[in-house]
Amino acid sequence: GAVVSQHPSRVICKSGTSVKIECRSLDFQATTMFWYRQFPKQSLMLMATSNEGSKATYEQGVEKDKFLINHASLTLSTLTVTSAHPEDSSFYICSARGFSSYEQYFGPGTRLTVT
Amino acid sequence: RKEVEQDPGPFNVPEGATVAFNCTYSNSASQSFFWYRQDCRKEPKLLMSVYSSGNEDGRFTAQLNRASQYISLLIRDSKLSDSATYLCVVNFWGGGGADGLTFGKGTHLIIQP
Repeated sequence: GAVVSQHPSRVICKSGTSVKIECRSLDFQATTMFWYRQFPKQSLMLMATSNEGSKATYEQGVEKDKFLINHASLTLSTLTVTSAHPEDSSFYICSARGFSSYEQYFGPGTRLTVT
Repeated sequence: RKEVEQDPGPFNVPEGATVAFNCTYSNSASQSFFWYRQDCRKEPKLLMSVYSSGNEDGRFTAQLNRASQYISLLIRDSKLSDSATYLCVVNFWGGGGADGLTFGKGTHLIIQP
């Protein structure tokens, strides 16, 4: 149980384009989903927290207009990187948490490369 | 400021040995504690939660010391497959709802045959 999927697993895009990443909880309802980013040899850094049906809460330093998050259902959240630049190249990982649970279950991550 | 500090290693340990990691956290209001394991270029996977009374799962033992604000992970009879990065993770349950997890940078463990 507690399976989270992400799509795509890997994407290469040109500078200036937008990329959408999907995060799905496959066998449970996720009241809260989290988006993290991990640069090489760095720890995961929380970007934003999204609750189903409400606006995402962004961490300090994360531009909400650049990283658009939508959490329209209890099983799906999307992250759109708008006008991507090479410095946005990173490993983006989502996680999901169900009702009354501290534990988060991670998706397999999306490796974004912006050329 | 919420911070989690770990010794990055690497720890080079012979197979069968016992190895221990510590981790300190700065936010005394932290509520939940976890050890995650991350293999190279993969997502983190929950290894175990850490409870105030300490807990054990097979070869793995986790301890929490709230007074000193550190948690530990002990691995006994280490296997080659234990080679990975171990992430110390802390959750702060805020007044307006839970924040995401705060990750340490991880401790890199290499088990040598």
